[in-house]
Amino acid sequence: GENVEQHPSTLSVQEGDSAVIKCTYSDSASNYFPWYKQELGKRPQLIIDIRSNVGEKKDQRIAVTLNKTAKHFSLHITETQPEDSAVYFCAASKDFGNEKLTFGTGTRLTIIP
Amino acid sequence: GAVVSQHPSWVICKSGTSVKIECRSLDFQATTMFWYRQFPKQSLMLMATSNEGSKATYEQGVEKDKFLINHASLTLSTLTVTSAHPEDSSFYICSAGLAYSGSYNEQFFGPGTRLTVL
Repeated sequence: GENVEQHPSTLSVQEGDSAVIKCTYSDSASNYFPWYKQELGKRPQLIIDIRSNVGEKKDQRIAVTLNKTAKHFSLHITETQPEDSAVYFCAASKDFGNEKLTFGTGTRLTIIP
Repeated sequence: GAVVSQHPSWVICKSGTSVKIECRSLDFQATTMFWYRQFPKQSLMLMATSNEGSKATYEQGVEKDKFLINHASLTLSTLTVTSAHPEDSSFYICSAGLAYSGSYNEQFFGPGTRLTVL
């Protein structure tokens, strides 16, 4: 089955700086890669996703890049703000027929004011 | 957007009792729902995939007789933790899959249920 690794497990950045979180996956058939933000005690919220027919996607301060050859994808947050502090999870799945998601281990991001 | 609800949001029970958690898709029909368990400071671990009108598919290591899943309608799946023990205390989250026309799909998560077994 799919295995998703995520690094780093914790990340602290100064407010206004950029944060980068990286994930690798094992199943070359995976082609859907969402990123979720989870605040304590709350549900995961989809913040951005990418499908294997594109290499990069951007939404305001958030961007995701995908390298299918190397089987890794990354989340980039620019101009970080205190409200970006949360746990971020990457995930991977095949993108059809309600396939299950395999989650990474999570990154606790802390923005230092 | 699509909304998924869960009930209850939290529950405390005595060891040995059973607890039922409901997951509902409020504004769409979900042929597939997923049940996850999340221990403190850990990731979401898929427990089972629930398919409307058929038996659930359990992940390796998840006891199907302990975690009973019923997906009787296109908007409701239930997870029953039978004979709960303290080690079953966790945050249980469901998600429902919405398949868009044009081939891609997205999962929408419920707010979670915090189970504490005394």
